Parts: sequence; C-alpha cells; structure tokens
Amino acid sequence: EDKVVQSPLSLVVHEGDTVTLNCSYEVTNFRSLLWYKQEKKAPTFLFMLTSSGIEKKSGRLSSILDKKELFSILNITATQTGDSAVYLCAVGSMEYGNKLVFGAGTILRVKS
Amino acid sequence: DVKVTQSSRYLVKRTGEKVFLECVQDMDHENMFWYRQDPGLGLRLIYFSYDVKMKEKGDIPEGYSVSREKKERFSLILESASTNQTSMYLCASSRPQGGYTTNEKLFFGSGTQLSVL
Repeated sequence: EDKVVQSPLSLVVHEGDTVTLNCSYEVTNFRSLLWYKQEKKAPTFLFMLTSSGIEKKSGRLSSILDKKELFSILNITATQTGDSAVYLCAVGSMEYGNKLVFGAGTILRVKS
Repeated sequence: DVKVTQSSRYLVKRTGEKVFLECVQDMDHENMFWYRQDPGLGLRLIYFSYDVKMKEKGDIPEGYSVSREKKERFSLILESASTNQTSMYLCASSRPQGGYTTNEKLFFGSGTQLSVL
C-alpha cells in the first residue's frame, strides 16, 4: 500500500531556531514529491522535487530529495512566528494519474 | 494568481440532510479534486475530475458523489449526511502538463468546515 509518513507530528521552537521536517514515502513508480504550507485553511505550494539530491531553495526554506532512501527533508532556518503552520508532504506517481498521496502533516509552532 | 473559491467556510447540517459543497476556479484548469482533511489522517482524496462531465473515484468515495457540468465548477454532494462526514473539505485544481495528466502544483480553496449533528 502506498504511504507517506511525516515526522515529527508536531513541534514547538523559538524564533531563530532551525527546524528540519521529515517525509518518507513508499509509492509505486515515483514521479514527484511536493511540500505545501497550510496556514488557516488553504494549503499553498512550496516546492516540487523530482530528481534526487537537488536542493530547492526559497529564502529561508529549502528541501532535498533522496530517491534511494525514499525520503525528503524540509529545512527552515531562522524561524519566524509567521512560519507557524501545518507542513504537508505529498507524493505523485506514474501509477496515479491525477492523484497525490498526502502525509498527515507536521504542525510547527514558532514561539516569539 | 489562481483563485479557487469554496462557497462556504463553515456549514452545520443535520444527519440525513443532502449537502452540496461548491467549488469554482478561475484559471481554466482541467483537473479538479475534492479532499477531506481529518486530524492525524492528512488529506484523503474523495473524487476528482479531469474534464467536464468526467469523474473518477478517489480513495474514500463512499457516501459522496460529484458533479462537473462546467469546467470551472466542481460540486461535492453528500446524499445523506452522517456524523462521520464531519470534516474539513478542501477543493483543488490543477492543469495537466505536457502529455501527462499530472497533478503537480495543486491550487487549493480555503476549505469548508462541515459539522453534521
């Protein structure tokens, strides 16, 4: 059965800390891995990774994919209270057509 | 920017009622999706559609149906609401890329929190 597992389920950090969120997956015919940030209600797209070892960066956020070990990490440096959100990992597969399989998410709270 | 609009942010219904959740997108996307989100379970796909009048079952279609009469609108229908359908419902859309009908870069609506009493 295809699955996506995120860890930790939740964490609390102080402003300025660096956090690493984890996403491991087991899917048939992997195509892509995506990270979303969910504040309030609507998830917003952060990154899509398809090739192993390539880091994607956007400001203080970065992500890398390891296709051999079947996981990805999302790094946030110098965290701010505005980073507080649920971070979702999702995986697309050649088998799924239009579908993504989502993990349960990591709840991040950044305290000032 | 893509805008995906869900008609209600909060909805309270009684068991047995027929419930309609509406979703409209303004970017001419072919693909549209309905997910439900529950604590600890993440997002689970209920139904999706990749063209007008086309629909495909997702992972948890039982108790739901959908309608896509126009490209921009995708409706989720709970024929007879039950308490276990209390959840956050998220609509999303995407455009196929290249020769594949892919789902990368889903654009989500703000969600409808449905409570069934």
